Amino acid sequence: AQTVTQSQPEMSVQEAETVTLSCTYDTSESNYYLFWYKQPPSRQMILVIRQEAYKQQNATENRFSVNFQKAAKSFSLKISDSQLGDTAMYFCAFMKSPAGGTSYGKLTFGQGTILTVHP
Amino acid sequence: GAGVSQTPSNKVTEKGKYVELRCDPISGHTALYWYRQSLGQGPEFLIYFQGTGAADDSGLPNDRFFAVRPEGSVSTLKIQRTERGDSAVYLCASSRDTNEQFFGPGTRLTVL
Repeated sequence: AQTVTQSQPEMSVQEAETVTLSCTYDTSESNYYLFWYKQPPSRQMILVIRQEAYKQQNATENRFSVNFQKAAKSFSLKISDSQLGDTAMYFCAFMKSPAGGTSYGKLTFGQGTILTVHP
Repeated sequence: GAGVSQTPSNKVTEKGKYVELRCDPISGHTALYWYRQSLGQGPEFLIYFQGTGAADDSGLPNDRFFAVRPEGSVSTLKIQRTERGDSAVYLCASSRDTNEQFFGPGTRLTVL
């Protein structure tokens, strides 16, 4: 079984500054995917960024980037130039690489980190 | 195009009653997932479908929970003899040919 741990229940940052959210995971799998999802107060979960475990290069999506350390089983999210709209709950999630060449599989989520961006 | 929709958005019921929660996935999405999110926690997997069949139902907590997807599109999560501990937000997600899951807004279930 996989576990995902987010050790920061809450974080805050000033607008335009940079913040890093931590995530560690435990698995015996060698092939898997890691995700960061954002859940604003509206409850709609939105994918922020994803990383394939076989890729050494860290994923980047505009102001969002990850620091993926496979040996340490660590997957942190860095948000640069924070904006008020980034205020949300952030979840780290794990998916085992599906068998049979499909792309489908269940997500295992961490407990979440509430991020507040202050003006 | 339209996203994943879930109805009702809120459901209040009494202990012991039966409830049905509905999910309309994005058109053409072959995979559909159900998760349960308790207050202040991350979502927990319940079940997922590929087409009409349940590919993995390992997350269903007990036999009071059942889900169907008879025509490979809309899915219904059914909870019998509800208990106060079933109170949570029930999230549905769908996907097609990708590991990105698109989530609906959820149904908040309150069992009194």
